[in-house]
Amino acid sequence: ETGVTQTPRHLVMGMTNKKSLKCEQHLGHNAMYWYKQSAKKPLELMFVYNFKEQTENNSVPSRFSPECPNSSHLFLHLHTLQPEDSALYLCASSQDGSSPLHFGNGTRLTVT
Amino acid sequence: AQTVTQSQPEMSVQEAETVTLSCTYDTSESNYYLFWYKQPPSRQMILVIRQEAYKQQNATENRFSVNFQKAAKSFSLKISDSQLGDTAMYFCAFMKPWTNAGKSTFGDGTTLTVKP
Repeated sequence: ETGVTQTPRHLVMGMTNKKSLKCEQHLGHNAMYWYKQSAKKPLELMFVYNFKEQTENNSVPSRFSPECPNSSHLFLHLHTLQPEDSALYLCASSQDGSSPLHFGNGTRLTVT
Repeated sequence: AQTVTQSQPEMSVQEAETVTLSCTYDTSESNYYLFWYKQPPSRQMILVIRQEAYKQQNATENRFSVNFQKAAKSFSLKISDSQLGDTAMYFCAFMKPWTNAGKSTFGDGTTLTVKP
């Protein structure tokens, strides 16, 4: 039990598809995050939600659309992606601004 | 903006020996947190150890300890009595406390292999 659950674990999609990544945390945390992890690159922060409000959009292209309906759930809606968007997408949560991140297992996304 | 540098892309160590992973960072902040995270082949990133910048004492967590040099902006991780299960990618991270959601900056990672 990781406390942060991501589904699906793997996803293959075409450039014209629409799909969604789901993240759920069972830790009672107030903040949730999306990170992108590509080969040979450091983790890139994409979005931050604090008490369901988006507080950070790190210059992410509009083909990525986050949604946070409540403090426990976070989605990443994907549409018209590019092959360079293939990566491991990690969801994380934290209790507050001084707490470490708790990560999910990630979704391995492949765009064909 | 903060930057985090891990200068060792790959390292290896014999089982039961000690290894040190290096990390340097650049910031103008005085209040911040530093972390080491571990990402094994199973992919789940987990916290190894945490250091508050206002604390001079180096953090320790069982076989893991850090050497925090604030003036030098250095934050190395020492793993003692290395075990096969320590094989993973290790990320150094800087976090600036920010209201209720801290923003973390990660290094490129160091892949550590523990050899039997």
